[in-house]
Amino acid sequence: KAGVTQTPRYLIKTRGQQVTLSCSPISGHRSVSWYQQTPGQGLQFLFEYFSETQRNKGNFPGRFSGRQFSNSRSEMNVSTLELGDSALYLCASSFLTDTEAFFGQGTRLTVV
Amino acid sequence: KQEVTQIPAALSVPEGENLVLNCSFTDSAIYNLQWFRQDPGKGLTSLLLIQSSQREQTSGRLNASLDKSSGRSTLYIAASQPGDSATYLCAVNKGSGSARQLTFGSGTQLTVLP
Repeated sequence: KAGVTQTPRYLIKTRGQQVTLSCSPISGHRSVSWYQQTPGQGLQFLFEYFSETQRNKGNFPGRFSGRQFSNSRSEMNVSTLELGDSALYLCASSFLTDTEAFFGQGTRLTVV
Repeated sequence: KQEVTQIPAALSVPEGENLVLNCSFTDSAIYNLQWFRQDPGKGLTSLLLIQSSQREQTSGRLNASLDKSSGRSTLYIAASQPGDSATYLCAVNKGSGSARQLTFGSGTQLTVLP
């Protein structure tokens, strides 16, 4: 079956702009989580959505937001981009809270 | 706040060796623990999932153990191969209420020399 699909794979944006990243989970999975990976901070949790509701949010500023659609696809938005937002953004999907998490290949965001 | 530590940070072994990677966590109230591998510039590949009620899981040459009371997990790799070279990450799953949240260690970078 198809895995988790993230688009686009690479993005270059200018400071102050905004960006939207997309994640299509594995068919049947209703939980979608987002993570930021940087060399300095490692992998950090951004937020989790389940059946279109945000259930959990990490310690990130309000510039980071997301949503989930009725087909479980999720989008993540970052407004007013800063250089420090340059990172690999990873999306994970799972069937339930305590089942295996599967990750996409990520979106590499570079802010210049 | 959950903290996850992985030791060692880097490991280099000759092909064929058996090796153990360590993971420790501070809050034992977890749903489960998952081991991943990550190749450079790529996403995470799930290796093994251990539920909080389980002690051990095996997949091929990999064996993961979990001691929830002491906050420890190990990943045992038998007969290592150059293709095993990657960064190995452990993550504990514990959110608030029914929500999930993975907290990751900083990883062990493994190099298997031919």
